[in-house]
Amino acid sequence: AQKVTQAQTEISVVEKEDVTLDCVYETRDTTYYLFWYKQPPSGELVFLIRRNSFDEQNEISGRYSWNFQKSTSSFNFTITASQVVDSAVYFCALSEAGAQGGSEKLVFGKGTKLTVNP
Amino acid sequence: DARVTQTPRHKVTEMGQEVTMRCQPILGHNTVFWYRQTMMQGLELLAYFRNRAPLDDSGMPKDRFSAEMPDATLATLKIQPSEPRDSAVYFCASGLVRDGALHADTQYFGPGTRLTVL
Repeated sequence: AQKVTQAQTEISVVEKEDVTLDCVYETRDTTYYLFWYKQPPSGELVFLIRRNSFDEQNEISGRYSWNFQKSTSSFNFTITASQVVDSAVYFCALSEAGAQGGSEKLVFGKGTKLTVNP
Repeated sequence: DARVTQTPRHKVTEMGQEVTMRCQPILGHNTVFWYRQTMMQGLELLAYFRNRAPLDDSGMPKDRFSAEMPDATLATLKIQPSEPRDSAVYFCASGLVRDGALHADTQYFGPGTRLTVL
């Protein structure tokens, strides 16, 4: 069965600090997809990134970067120079390939609540 | 800017009443998902549809929940009768899975319906 573990329930940092959110996953599929979503206090779920299991290249988008390591089944998310607006709950999620190779249902971790203090 | 829309945004009702939540997926998306978010269980899939046909509703309590897609632009989730334990935020998400696709498409989430059953 698929499982996503976000061991950090809450993290609190001071503005401009770097912070890494951990995500460890379990799956028996060879083809799968990993996602990060952000849920700000307003409640909506905002898509951040999608990776497939064949692409282990790390990705950087502005202050955000992601480190995907199949050897350790981890997909960690780093925010560089954090800002108050980064305060949110961050969810890591996993999905199977599905019959047509597309993303099927998402299995979410419990989320990490990040608080960035001024 | 295409978005998933959900109505109502908030619903307060009394135990035993029928509740209907509606979702308009992003135009052109062929897959619609219903998720529920609670403090205890986190985010969990209730059901999903591909080209309006139900693919998986194993996460849904069958005796009181029903999900339908009357047409490609409308998905509904109905609870009858509602119970206090149904209080949660219900999210709809939509995505596009192309025939023969090798890559997952992203699921875009609506703003959610916050349901309170008294």
